[in-house]
Amino acid sequence: HSVLTQPPSVSGAPGQRVTISCTGSSSNIGAGYDVHWYQQLPGTAPQLLIYVNSNRPSGVPDRFSGSKSGSSASLAITGLQAEDEADYYCQSYDSNLSASVFGGGTKLTVL
Amino acid sequence: QVQLQESGPGLVKPSQTLSLTCTVSGGSIRSGSYFWSWIRQPAGKGLEWIGRIYTSGNTNYNPSLQSRVTISLDTSKNQFSLRLTSVTAADTAVYYCATDRSSGLGDWFDPWGQGTLVTVSS
Repeated sequence: HSVLTQPPSVSGAPGQRVTISCTGSSSNIGAGYDVHWYQQLPGTAPQLLIYVNSNRPSGVPDRFSGSKSGSSASLAITGLQAEDEADYYCQSYDSNLSASVFGGGTKLTVL
Repeated sequence: QVQLQESGPGLVKPSQTLSLTCTVSGGSIRSGSYFWSWIRQPAGKGLEWIGRIYTSGNTNYNPSLQSRVTISLDTSKNQFSLRLTSVTAADTAVYYCATDRSSGLGDWFDPWGQGTLVTVSS
């Protein structure tokens, strides 16, 4: 099982808002380590979506936003579009493992 | 803009050593601003960080793989490499190299190479 816990799947209709949670513990997110998010479209490499909790790289639409509180983080997507259908992964650092760690991934389906 | 490209054999026999190279273009691998990581993804599964190398040559490895992994740097070729020994079918995955950036409170990966599939089979 993954150190960071994500729901296996979420879904929403076009135009709606969805959120994806990422739950960690006191040795990673709860210890103050930053959370980052990646989008992986089918058959492609992951791409950075959000870095350092809430920052968007240039080119990422402002429909995507990230937040962090306590031992958890969330990715929100507003104005859902068909092209958003992908797998989403959170990532942080774990001090017990001395390793970068990923969530198990969440598959977003646009209905 | 930095770009990365993985290369290496797509098929490795069980118990042998997996060797991959990542070629960096559009920037120097000697840049002190970045580190360099390997990440893998078994088919239909999630991402697993393998390890990173700093421009100094220092390395950090995932404890779950540490006994079998070596990451090295070749600054003359602007490349870094991965060696994974004693492979089994469980090591079958798409292997990605990535630029590793630090905030001081952890690292993130951007950009990534396109990935290369390595299958462990006799």
